[in-house]
Amino acid sequence: GQNIDQPTEMTATEGAIVQINCTYQTSGFNGLFWYQQHAGEAPTFLSYNVLDGLEEKGRFSSFLSRSKGYSYLLLKELQMKDSASYLCAALDSNYQLIWGAGTKLIIKP
Amino acid sequence: SAVISQKPSRDICQRGTSLTIQCQVDSQVTMMFWYRQQPGQSLTLIATANQGSEATYESGFVIDKFPISRPNLTFSTLTVSNMSPEDSSIYLCSVQPGHENEKLFFGSGTQLSVL
Repeated sequence: GQNIDQPTEMTATEGAIVQINCTYQTSGFNGLFWYQQHAGEAPTFLSYNVLDGLEEKGRFSSFLSRSKGYSYLLLKELQMKDSASYLCAALDSNYQLIWGAGTKLIIKP
Repeated sequence: SAVISQKPSRDICQRGTSLTIQCQVDSQVTMMFWYRQQPGQSLTLIATANQGSEATYESGFVIDKFPISRPNLTFSTLTVSNMSPEDSSIYLCSVQPGHENEKLFFGSGTQLSVL
């Protein structure tokens, strides 16, 4: 079956760095997305990786290893506004999105 | 990019009634999707809204319960029929303006509570 695993919840300190991991098992693979979702709001796009390696975008970076079925989202210089859920989603061979349950990130001062 | 207007933003409904959610996009898009997000859980795809033809439903979702209309490339509706408390959830429409491996844009969601 198809499956996405990511931690349920993580806590980090303002100004620090946090890495949110995601492992996936899908029928074929056409890329991996990370979305941010603040409480009570819709998800917003953060990143898309289809090739191995690290993609950096400001304070946020996303990494993909296709051979390991693994991705992570790295958040640097954490701010209180980064408190949100982070959703990992893999695109399978039929271009169907398989969603993880999300990681709730709590930022403490 | 795409700007999506979804309404209502929230509603409280009685058991057995139906609610229609509307999704309006500011540009023509081929792919429109309807998702459900239950409390503390991730997104579950209900169906793909196809313009000019019947929607494509995912396993566990049927047309009688979740009829969908897609009269043109900028508009779609999802109806939650004969509601029960188990239908209490956030319903999200989303669009994919570009190619199949491009990002989704989401509407602001409809928070539905069924009493």
